[in-house]
Order: sequence, then C-alpha cells, then structure tokens
Amino acid sequence: DGGITQSPKYLFRKEGQNVTLSCEQNLNHDAMYWYRQDPGQGLRLIYYSQIVNDFQKGDIAEGYSVSREKKESFPLTVTSAQKNPTAFYLCASSDDRHNEKLFFGSGTQLSVL
Amino acid sequence: DQQVKQNSPSLSVQEGRISILNCDYTNSMFDYFLWYKKYPAEGPTFLISISSIKDKNEDGRFTVFLNKSAKHLSLHIVPSQPGDSAVYFCAAGANNAGNMLTFGGGTRLMVKP
Repeated sequence: DGGITQSPKYLFRKEGQNVTLSCEQNLNHDAMYWYRQDPGQGLRLIYYSQIVNDFQKGDIAEGYSVSREKKESFPLTVTSAQKNPTAFYLCASSDDRHNEKLFFGSGTQLSVL
Repeated sequence: DQQVKQNSPSLSVQEGRISILNCDYTNSMFDYFLWYKKYPAEGPTFLISISSIKDKNEDGRFTVFLNKSAKHLSLHIVPSQPGDSAVYFCAAGANNAGNMLTFGGGTRLMVKP
C-alpha cells in the first residue's frame, strides 16, 4: 500500500560527522518536504522540492543539504555545519490535487553522541 | 516572528466533553488552514481543513471555526474520546506559496476516561 517511508527511525551522529536521512514515497507525488520538530515547537521547513532535480531552501536550511534525483526519493543530509542537529525530522509529500494536504512519514529521531 | 501560534501547550478534558483547541495567526495572506493530529514517534496526519472564504467546516466529531477579522481559528472535538489524546498542530498556507505550510507549536490534548 502507498505511503512515505523514512529510515532509520533512530540515528546517532558523532561530532563532525555527516549523516543522511532517507525518505521514499510511492504515492506518485511531485512535491516533497523536510521538516524539523524540536520539543514544544512546531514544524519548521528545512528544504522542499516541487519537481525532480529541483529544490528550494526553507526557513532553516543552514547546515543541511538535499537531492532530488528521483521522484520517489528526497534524502536529507545533516552536515557537520549544523551545530544543533538533535531533533525529530519529518519528511512529507503532496500532489497538485490536494495541494493543501501534506502526507507525512513516521519520522527520524536524530541525536548527537 | 511566529506567524502561527498555539498559545496553550496543553489541554486536559474529560471524556464525553468538548475539547476546544485554539490557533492565532498574523499573516492576512493565508488562504487556507489545516489541523493535523500527531501521536508520539509518528508523523502528523491530516484531520480537517478550512478555506479562508468559509467560517466553519464540519467533519463528524470535528469542527473548525475561522474568524478572519480576529485572525483566529479553533478546532472543536465533540464528544472527546480517549483516543483523541495527541498533539494537535494548526497550520496555514497561501495559494501563492505553493504547498508550503506554516505550523503552530502544537497543543497536547489529554482526554481522561
């Protein structure tokens, strides 16, 4: 059945290390997004992609990078430049028919060792 | 500057009673508003939405009210059930901003049996 899959569910990062969070969707959605959630805070947009091979910075893109080589996949790399990476990361997708509705994955909890 | 605010971080309600979750926004350019429900360690799921041209939208036990002049919306859950216990996020979007949403900080609802 269709949905969005994020992996891993839990991830630990060492100082100075880059880590990549996976997001795959089989909903045939054009648009994909990465959000970050910190305790007691709302979801903040990191990056989004409206179409393959194109992506745009969101509100808090510094220290992150993305790629969109395939429609189904939108991986997020948390680089060593991101000084406060500990958070819950959510990937989402949407299509033109329901452009106000985002479908979310189950999230990845990233922690720093 | 938070464009979407949920001023109550938590709310406790008795089973069978009404739950009212509130949300305020500052950007008059928002065209639609949504409520998402989130369980721990899961992604948010869409609950209900409302266009800025309406003042009420109802779906079963859930009703969203929009007061544009006050830049305020609320979600009513009647009757509340223990399974409604979750974090509720208010979100807003603008038609000229693609599918990007601005989220509030969330309200944790606890429905006591």
